[in-house]
Amino acid sequence: NAGVTQTPKFQVLKTGQSMTLQCAQDMNHEYMSWYRQDPGMGLRLIHYSVGAGITDQGEVPNGYNVSRSTTEDFPLRLLSAAPSQTSVYFCASSHAREAFFGQGTRLTVV
Amino acid sequence: GDSVTQMEGPVTLSEEAFLTINCTYTATGYPSLFWYVQYPGEGLQLLLKATKADDKGSNKGFEATYRKETTSFHLEKGSVQVSDSAVYFCALSGFGNEKLTFGTGTRLTIIP
Repeated sequence: NAGVTQTPKFQVLKTGQSMTLQCAQDMNHEYMSWYRQDPGMGLRLIHYSVGAGITDQGEVPNGYNVSRSTTEDFPLRLLSAAPSQTSVYFCASSHAREAFFGQGTRLTVV
Repeated sequence: GDSVTQMEGPVTLSEEAFLTINCTYTATGYPSLFWYVQYPGEGLQLLLKATKADDKGSNKGFEATYRKETTSFHLEKGSVQVSDSAVYFCALSGFGNEKLTFGTGTRLTIIP
């Protein structure tokens, strides 16, 4: 009954460091996505994938990279962290227009 | 492009009060409409949805009706409880795709 699992839950990075946020789902959904949540701005789409080997940019893709080698996993890479990337990140998988979200990763870049 | 505008918060109500959170949208074609709820420290959960005009979504005492003529999907509940305290997001997905566009969220606090 795992659904969507994100790790880590909390992370502090120094400016310029890189890291990968992990996301895994066990529902065999083709569509997966990454959002960031900032106060007063709702959730904004970073990248999404419609299936293994296929990814595309969302609304705010700059500074982030994704790949999708399996149906289950959809990691988000921060290439060189900046303070503007301080946010809460949510991964979601979707089927028939119903999205299931992970618990989120709270990232602080200092 | 698609957009969702929802009522600014925060909203504070007493227990058993009537709740309305307004949501309007702009989209081409026939989007599906959603309300998601986020409890403290958790991810978003689907609360209810409607896929075509005049559909009413309902769950846990919450209701919302898809009004195409006014491009609205207002969330209502007749008698709120302390446990309803959360952030509520209105969202839409365009016809034929899974991409969600969210409103900014409304923080609801219910006081006993």
